Amino acid sequence: EPEVTQTPSHQVTQMGQEVILRCVPISNHLYFYWYRQILGQKVEFLVSFYNNEISEKSEIFDDQFSVERPDGSNFTLKIRSTKLEDSAMYFCASSGERGANVLTFGAGSRLTVL
Amino acid sequence: SQQGEEDPQALSIQEGENATMNCSYKTSINNLQWYRQNSGRGLVHLILIRSNEREKHSGRLRVTLDTSKKSSSLLITASRAADTASYFCATDAKQGAQKLVFGQGTRLTINP
Repeated sequence: EPEVTQTPSHQVTQMGQEVILRCVPISNHLYFYWYRQILGQKVEFLVSFYNNEISEKSEIFDDQFSVERPDGSNFTLKIRSTKLEDSAMYFCASSGERGANVLTFGAGSRLTVL
Repeated sequence: SQQGEEDPQALSIQEGENATMNCSYKTSINNLQWYRQNSGRGLVHLILIRSNEREKHSGRLRVTLDTSKKSSSLLITASRAADTASYFCATDAKQGAQKLVFGQGTRLTINP
């Protein structure tokens, strides 16, 4: 069964460092998302991406965050200067159709900012 | 803003019993979905119910939707130890936004 893959599974970084989280969505999907989940809390929407541009973003997705689909297969989330409060599990997801957007999630990348 | 809120926050039952989780939301929706998350893993889609549907079944899962009360319930019948997980409802906006908004989740523990 097709799956969304994410790398790395766990990254530890120093505050102020740049981090890039990578995702390979399902190949025929058109919509891509990043969510995050701080330990024990709800899953929060960060950004959605369609047709090579951001279609929607949340208040969390400020200027420190950016997304890119550089080569038609990878979908990356970059955090330019990490803060302690960026420590969370980051989930990539993709969906294939508008209107009944069932999301397929990756296993997540755990980011720890020290 | 719309938001799914589940209750209870945690539920512990014996294997074989039924588990019922509830979700409330605030604004009009296209559909409502339930997802499952095993500890430390990604979310897995379980079932989707459209705004014009009232009840839907899938295996041991039964979902109801009451749009007048802006609420949904997920029933898992004949629970198994492997059903131990967190369960989240998720809603999307009526006007076509692609994002899903997830609730806080219900942590379900099935005791053998």
